[in-house]
Amino acid sequence: GDSVTQMEGPVTLSEEAFLTINCTYTATGYPSLFWYVQYPGEGLQLLLKATKADDKGSNKGFEATYRKETTSFHLEKGSVQVSDSAVYFCALSEGTGAQKLVFGQGTRLTINP
Amino acid sequence: DAEITQSPRHKITETGRQVTLACHQTWNHNNMFWYRQDLGHGLRLIHYSYGVQDTNKGEVSDGYSVSRSNTEDLPLTLESAASSQTSVYFCASSGRLANYNEQFFGPGTRLTVL
Repeated sequence: GDSVTQMEGPVTLSEEAFLTINCTYTATGYPSLFWYVQYPGEGLQLLLKATKADDKGSNKGFEATYRKETTSFHLEKGSVQVSDSAVYFCALSEGTGAQKLVFGQGTRLTINP
Repeated sequence: DAEITQSPRHKITETGRQVTLACHQTWNHNNMFWYRQDLGHGLRLIHYSYGVQDTNKGEVSDGYSVSRSNTEDLPLTLESAASSQTSVYFCASSGRLANYNEQFFGPGTRLTVL
């Protein structure tokens, strides 16, 4: 079945550092790809999405590009802030018409001032 | 504002007891989902529903059941709670239209089975 693999955490960075969180996927069709963020004590929120190959999703300074050739959707941010500390989940859905999401295991990010 | 709520937020129960976790959404969404979150596993799908009277099993459905009698609610029942069901449970909902499967999540219920 479809699956998502994220880089192992936790990740600890200093403020203003460059961030990359790797995400690769396995899917039989043409999935949509998502990054969700979970702040402490809260539910998940959609951070960004991409629905077809070469699409770039972006939000709050975060970006991720849907790379079909490498089956990847890596999350990047040029300069992180303490407020970015959270758990980040990569996810896919099995095509634009489907609704189920398959999540990666999550990556805990801590930003130190 | 539309929202999705879960109750209770925290629950402690004993092995063998029946437990029901509530999920209520005011988005008027057709699709509702239950996940459990465990360290190292991310979120795993328990059950989901695409509309009233529709329910489907997810990846980890054993020991859980749901029913959908209206659009707003999808309660999750643990028939006989086990210690392996200690987890954080999240409910989510999504609409049918342009948001490409964006799911809106509730705040979660932390369940401890002793």
